[in-house]
Amino acid sequence: KAGVTQTPRYLIKTRGQQVTLSCSPISGHRSVSWYQQTPGQGLQFLFEYFSETQRNKGNFPGRFSGRQFSNSRSEMNVSTLELGDSALYLCASSLPGTGQETQYFGPGTRLLVL
Amino acid sequence: AQSVAQPEDQVNVAEGNPLTVKCTYSVSGNPYLFWYVQYPNRGLQFLLKYITGDNLVKGSYGFEAEFNKSQTSFHLKKPSALVSDSALYFCAVRDPPRGDSSYKLIFGSGTRLLVRP
Repeated sequence: KAGVTQTPRYLIKTRGQQVTLSCSPISGHRSVSWYQQTPGQGLQFLFEYFSETQRNKGNFPGRFSGRQFSNSRSEMNVSTLELGDSALYLCASSLPGTGQETQYFGPGTRLLVL
Repeated sequence: AQSVAQPEDQVNVAEGNPLTVKCTYSVSGNPYLFWYVQYPNRGLQFLLKYITGDNLVKGSYGFEAEFNKSQTSFHLKKPSALVSDSALYFCAVRDPPRGDSSYKLIFGSGTRLLVRP
């Protein structure tokens, strides 16, 4: 079974621009979560989607948003980019249900904001 | 609030020796704990998890972890380290621990494992 895929893998943007990142979950997985990884703050939860609904949200400004499509694919958008948004953005998918499920991560999208 | 701590930024071990990467947790209720590994320019790979049951959990690539409720610890171990085990290791706890199937992972700061030949 194919793993979680993320596109693009690398991205360079300038301050003020916006960016959209894409995530395709493992086949059959309906929950998709996003995390930001930076050297200073470590791994931080952004949001989680299930059945096209955001169920959980981390402590990030409104410039960070996301959505999920009917095929469970997800996108996250960051508007008005700031230098501090430079990070590795990781997507994870899981089979929700029991509460004991495991989140499986994609390779990430590395975003550099200049 | 749930949290995990990884007290060591880096662990150095010689190939063939046993390795331990430490993790302590603070949760309300019974914890769901995870270990992930990250290789350079890669995402996180799942190693193992503790939900309930046996305190010794076996995972991928020969790794295991021991859940210790009295010491609130979940240390990652391997009897014989390989150079290829060199990577960044993250301990994580599920939040909330029970109930709503929606959850997030709260990660420790990570421990860099360096296995020298």
